[in-house]
Amino acid sequence: TQLLEQSPQFLSIQEGENLTVYCNSSSVFSSLQWYRQEPGEGPVLLVTVVTGGEVKKLKRLTFQFGDARKDSSLHITAAQPGDTGLYLCAGASSNSGYALNFGKGTSLLVTP
Amino acid sequence: GAVVSQHPSRVICKSGTSVKIECRSLDFQATTMFWYRQFPKKSLMLMATSNEGSKATYEQGVEKDKFLINHASLTLSTLTVTSAHPEDSSFYICSANWLAGLDEQFFGPGTRLTVL
Repeated sequence: TQLLEQSPQFLSIQEGENLTVYCNSSSVFSSLQWYRQEPGEGPVLLVTVVTGGEVKKLKRLTFQFGDARKDSSLHITAAQPGDTGLYLCAGASSNSGYALNFGKGTSLLVTP
Repeated sequence: GAVVSQHPSRVICKSGTSVKIECRSLDFQATTMFWYRQFPKKSLMLMATSNEGSKATYEQGVEKDKFLINHASLTLSTLTVTSAHPEDSSFYICSANWLAGLDEQFFGPGTRLTVL
């Protein structure tokens, strides 16, 4: 199992602030997914990054895949209360077949 | 597209009984589905990989006789928690690959199991 270290584990910020969540590993991944999960619901896929150095934007969210495909970051600009939730990174590698290795998650709370 | 459903969404049962959870891919065929378990405020823990027409592959530490998985068709996988105990209480989530060979997984809404 390839370990994904996700940080920070908890983050409480005020509306309008910026934040970055990091996902790091010593293993190389063929792709990395970011999910957002609300309490009592399943995770919802936000983005998949595949190419080393890739940057993807989803409105106020910016996702980056490291050049070596071992790490990724999620940056949120001007956070809003609706961004509150559990953010999960998950990596796939050829060793795991189609199974994903999940990070521990970042619990984000954005207060008005 | 890529919608996964789970049933039931919540279930409460007595110790010693068995509970079946269904996972369905509604608008696509899924040769592979996955079952996860999630504790409060924690990440997802992969329990097993369910392959259509063959035996499931269980992760280390997951009892195959305790958590029976059946993937009888390309759109349905079931997880049966046998002889349930209070420590089996958890949030169970399934997912499916949208297209074979792609790493992306789409998740069901989860099933909250409470064992009294």
